[in-house]
Amino acid sequence: DAGVIQSPRHEVTEMGQEVTLRCKPISGHDYLFWYRQTMMRGLELLIYFNNNVPIDDSGMPEDRFSAKMPNASFSTLKIQPSEPRDSAVYFCASSPHPGRDRASGANVLTFGAGSRLTVL
Amino acid sequence: AQTVTQSQPEMSVQEAETVTLSCTYDTSESNYYLFWYKQPPSRQMILVIRQEAYKQQNATENRFSVNFQKAAKSFSLKISDSQLGDTAMYFCAFSHNTDKLIFGTGTRLQVFP
Repeated sequence: DAGVIQSPRHEVTEMGQEVTLRCKPISGHDYLFWYRQTMMRGLELLIYFNNNVPIDDSGMPEDRFSAKMPNASFSTLKIQPSEPRDSAVYFCASSPHPGRDRASGANVLTFGAGSRLTVL
Repeated sequence: AQTVTQSQPEMSVQEAETVTLSCTYDTSESNYYLFWYKQPPSRQMILVIRQEAYKQQNATENRFSVNFQKAAKSFSLKISDSQLGDTAMYFCAFSHNTDKLIFGTGTRLQVFP
C-alpha cells in the first residue's frame, strides 16, 4: 500500500482565493482525520470521518472551512476564502476500525506527508 | 476534556547516550491509548510506540521504551543508544475509544555526534 496520499505538497496562494487539499486514505481504513499544524497551536484536529460520515467537526475554525468525503477513497478540505492566518501544514491521516483489528494496530493513525499552505 | 502536556520544548543528547522525554496527560477515562509519534525534518509523522492503558507492562520497540505510570498519568519515552537519525520533534498523544488523537505540543530532540 502506498500509504496516505495527500496533494498538493505545497500550495502558495493569495488571500481571498479558494484552496482545496486532497487526501486518499489507506484502502480498508474506516476513519479519516484532518489535522492542522502551526507553530503557535501545534497539531489541531479539524474534523474526522467514520465510513465517510463526519463524526466530529468541532475543530473546524469557521465557516470558511469545509470538508467532504464523497467515498471511501477520497476526501477534500476546502478553504474559501483563504486568509494569511490559514497558513499551516495540513495533515490527513487514516486508521482501521478498532473492533476489527484491535491486536495489530487499531486506533493507530497513519499520516500522509502533509500539505504546506502559504496564504500571502 | 482530555489534555496532553509535554513540558520539555527542547532536549539534546549525545550519540549513543540515553534520553528520556516526558509526557503527562489528564483524563477521567479508565481505558485509553497513548502514543509517541516522531516528526523528522521531512515533516512525516511516524508512529514510534503505543501503549494500551489496560496493559501494565511497559511497551518496547527496539531502542524505544516507555515508562507508563497510570496513577500518576505519566507516559515518558526513553530512547537508548541515541542515533543521529533520532533527531526530530516527538509528540505524545492520547486517544480514547473514538480514535481521535489529542497531541501534546512536542519536544524537539537534537542528537549530537
